[in-house]
Amino acid sequence: AQSVTQPDIHITVSEGASLELRCNYSYGATPYLFWYVQSPGQGLQLLLKYFSGDTLVQGIKGFEAEFKRSQSSFNLRKPSVHWSDAAEYFCAAPLGDYKLSFGAGTTVTVRA
Amino acid sequence: EAGVTQSPTHLIKTRGQQATLRCSPISGHTSVYWYQQALGLGLQFLLWYDEGEERNRGNFPPRFSGRQFPNYSSELNVNALELEDSALYLCASSLYRTSLSYEQYFGPGTRLTVT
Repeated sequence: AQSVTQPDIHITVSEGASLELRCNYSYGATPYLFWYVQSPGQGLQLLLKYFSGDTLVQGIKGFEAEFKRSQSSFNLRKPSVHWSDAAEYFCAAPLGDYKLSFGAGTTVTVRA
Repeated sequence: EAGVTQSPTHLIKTRGQQATLRCSPISGHTSVYWYQQALGLGLQFLLWYDEGEERNRGNFPPRFSGRQFPNYSSELNVNALELEDSALYLCASSLYRTSLSYEQYFGPGTRLTVT
């Protein structure tokens, strides 16, 4: 079955340090892939998306993600984390008929 | 441009009652999706509406139902509420029948608490 997996449940990073969140997918064809962010008690905000073309995609808030077919991965990165980046991050992909399948999420804690 | 809006923000109901949640999509979007985010269960797809019709539903009992109005806004109804229905209900919208159909934009959610 098609799915996305986020191996890390929780990551703690120091403010100003770099951040990388992992996402693995299992699909036959080239997938559409998304990263969303959810602040506490809020809805989901779309950070970036991959449909095709350049494997390195830029998003909002200084985030980027790289699609690697050989590793079935779509990892999210940010060079320098700000305290406001503390949130839960979800990787997602369509599971047929446009409905999205989400990973379990990775909670990011930023320490001063 | 206004984003997806949902009402109410919070809803407290008693077990056995009915709950109605509302969603207005982004202008120009015809598809509306409902997701449930329950503690420990992650984000699960509930329902998808487009052009007033239910296109797909997730693995939820029939007491979860909804509809889409001519202006593309949508309602989610949950009948015979159970304690485990307590969750954040998220609505999303997208275009349909284009490559952008996969790109969904979410509202702030309705927090439903069943006591």
